[in-house]
Amino acid sequence: KQEVTQIPAALSVPEGENLVLNCSFTDSAIYNLQWFRQDPGKGLTSLLLIQSSQREQTSGRLNASLDKSSGRSTLYIAASQPGDSATYLCAVRRTGANNLFFGTGTRLTVIP
Amino acid sequence: EPEVTQTPSHQVTQMGQEVILRCVPISNHLYFYWYRQILGQKVEFLVSFYNNEISEKSEIFDDQFSVERPDGSNFTLKIRSTKLEDSAMYFCASRPADLAEKLFFGSGTQLSVL
Repeated sequence: KQEVTQIPAALSVPEGENLVLNCSFTDSAIYNLQWFRQDPGKGLTSLLLIQSSQREQTSGRLNASLDKSSGRSTLYIAASQPGDSATYLCAVRRTGANNLFFGTGTRLTVIP
Repeated sequence: EPEVTQTPSHQVTQMGQEVILRCVPISNHLYFYWYRQILGQKVEFLVSFYNNEISEKSEIFDDQFSVERPDGSNFTLKIRSTKLEDSAMYFCASRPADLAEKLFFGSGTQLSVL
């Protein structure tokens, strides 16, 4: 069974800092990996999707990397802003499966 | 940008009652999903739906749960006899036919069973 872990569970940084969020998964037979943002009491907003054949994806200040063989992905946020404060979730789709396995998330607070 | 919409945003019900959670997926999407998130826990897969039938379901999705696409736009999740442990945020999601495409989530329905 696929297990997805995110470290740290919570992170607090001053505005302007660059930061890295980590995601690890136990089964490397994945089809793709998706990073989401969740604001309190809200739905999930897709940030980046990396296919298993890709090493990284970038969108604005966000960069996600994938090392499938070691079962790891990172989400890099450059020049953090208070508006980046949210919970960040990673989710993997196993090869041949139709559903996503989610991590427990990292709660990010960016202090003005 | 197109959105997945869910109604109601909050639902309070008594234990043993039936509830129906409603979703309108993005119009050209073909796969539909329900996920749930119990407070403080991971988002969990419940069921996926394609071509008017369930394509995959988790062990959570027992006989108390059912899904339906009653018309060309709505996708519903019914819980027949709610239990306290069904209290959670329920998310609907959809995606196009291509498995490489992103999954789009709605803003969720917070279900509270008293």
